[in-house]
Amino acid sequence: AQSVSQHNHHVILSEAASLELGCNYSYGGTVNLFWYVQYPGQHLQLLLKYFSGDPLVKGIKGFEAEFIKSKFSFNLRKPSVQWSDTAEYFCAVNPYNNNDMRFGAGTRLTVKP
Amino acid sequence: NAGVTQTPKFQVLKTGQSMTLQCAQDMNHEYMSWYRQDPGMGLRLIHYSVGAGITDQGEVPNGYNVSRSTTEDFPLRLLSAAPSQTSVYFCASSWTSGHTDTQYFGPGTRLTVL
Repeated sequence: AQSVSQHNHHVILSEAASLELGCNYSYGGTVNLFWYVQYPGQHLQLLLKYFSGDPLVKGIKGFEAEFIKSKFSFNLRKPSVQWSDTAEYFCAVNPYNNNDMRFGAGTRLTVKP
Repeated sequence: NAGVTQTPKFQVLKTGQSMTLQCAQDMNHEYMSWYRQDPGMGLRLIHYSVGAGITDQGEVPNGYNVSRSTTEDFPLRLLSAAPSQTSVYFCASSWTSGHTDTQYFGPGTRLTVL
């Protein structure tokens, strides 16, 4: 069965530190890839998505993610985190032309001021 | 626009009770879906709909029913609640299926089954 793995359950950083959250998936075909964020007390919202083209995708709030097909990975990065980035981050995978959507377990990011 | 709304926000049920979680969107989206979120497991797709009158099962459909009589509403029914259904439930919608469009999520319903 298709699965999505997020390697870090809880990441704690100081402000201005660089961030990289790992995401790997097991589906072998063409996929659509997403990162969602859930700020405390708020709805899930889309950070960025990848369908095709440039494997380096830029999203909102200075986040970016790189799709590496050979590694089945879609890691999320931000060069300098802020206290307001404290949230839970979810990677999600959708097989192309399929209505299924699989989420990872999430990574909780805490940024210390 | 109100976006995606869900009611109730919190609910406590006894084992065996039934209830309906409401979800509505005012964006004229064709695609709507229900997820449950459990600690350490992320979101799992329960049921989805690609348009009025069309529904299908997701990853964890057992114990839940859905219907889509209008574009706006997509209620989720628990037929006979079990403690294993204690979770946070999210409804989401997007313009089309296939997830090429951004999904918009509701605020969630926190359900406890005793």
